[in-house]
Amino acid sequence: ELKVEQNPLFLSMQEGKNYTIYCNYSTTSDRLYWYRQDPGKSLESLFVLLSNGAVKQEGRLMASLDTKARLSTLHITAAVHDLSATYFCAGPQGGSEKLVFGKGTKLTVNP
Amino acid sequence: SAVISQKPSRDICQRGTSLTIQCQVDSQVTMMFWYRQQPGQSLTLIATANQGSEATYESGFVIDKFPISRPNLTFSTLTVSNMSPEDSSIYLCSVSRDSYEQYFGPGTRLTVT
Repeated sequence: ELKVEQNPLFLSMQEGKNYTIYCNYSTTSDRLYWYRQDPGKSLESLFVLLSNGAVKQEGRLMASLDTKARLSTLHITAAVHDLSATYFCAGPQGGSEKLVFGKGTKLTVNP
Repeated sequence: SAVISQKPSRDICQRGTSLTIQCQVDSQVTMMFWYRQQPGQSLTLIATANQGSEATYESGFVIDKFPISRPNLTFSTLTVSNMSPEDSSIYLCSVSRDSYEQYFGPGTRLTVT
């Protein structure tokens, strides 16, 4: 059974700084998802990483996938306050489309 | 992408009653799922809504408590039966398309008193 672990669970950072959120998963998977959730809102799809070595970037966020290490990272460059949210990674259970989520990383960017 | 709507967006219900949540997608999709997000927690899959057959439930969730219907490829309902305060959560439907993208509805925020 797939297990997904994120760290850190809480991240407080200053505007302009860089940081990385890590997502480890327990069994082989060929894809990995990143979502953003604002308080009281639903999930917004950020990235779907579909192969080993995949790298995707959108604005100040860049996600990568290393299937051999069973690791995905979400890198934040020059953080701004608008990036404050909870970020979830998720992987498919047993090759299906059912997703198993990490516990989420609550990011707070302070001015 | 997919445009997903859920009704109701929120509700406050009394213990022992039932609530049916609707999920409507703007176009046909193969896979529909129901998730629960308890306060301050991550998402947990309740079941896969199968068109034309019974839903497939995950461990810890049963049909008597969470009956699901999926009469066609754009619509599904989830009922939360005989509610207790522990059922207070956000319930989200999600859909999947062939591109592996998975999209989430806006959620239904349920409070049980």
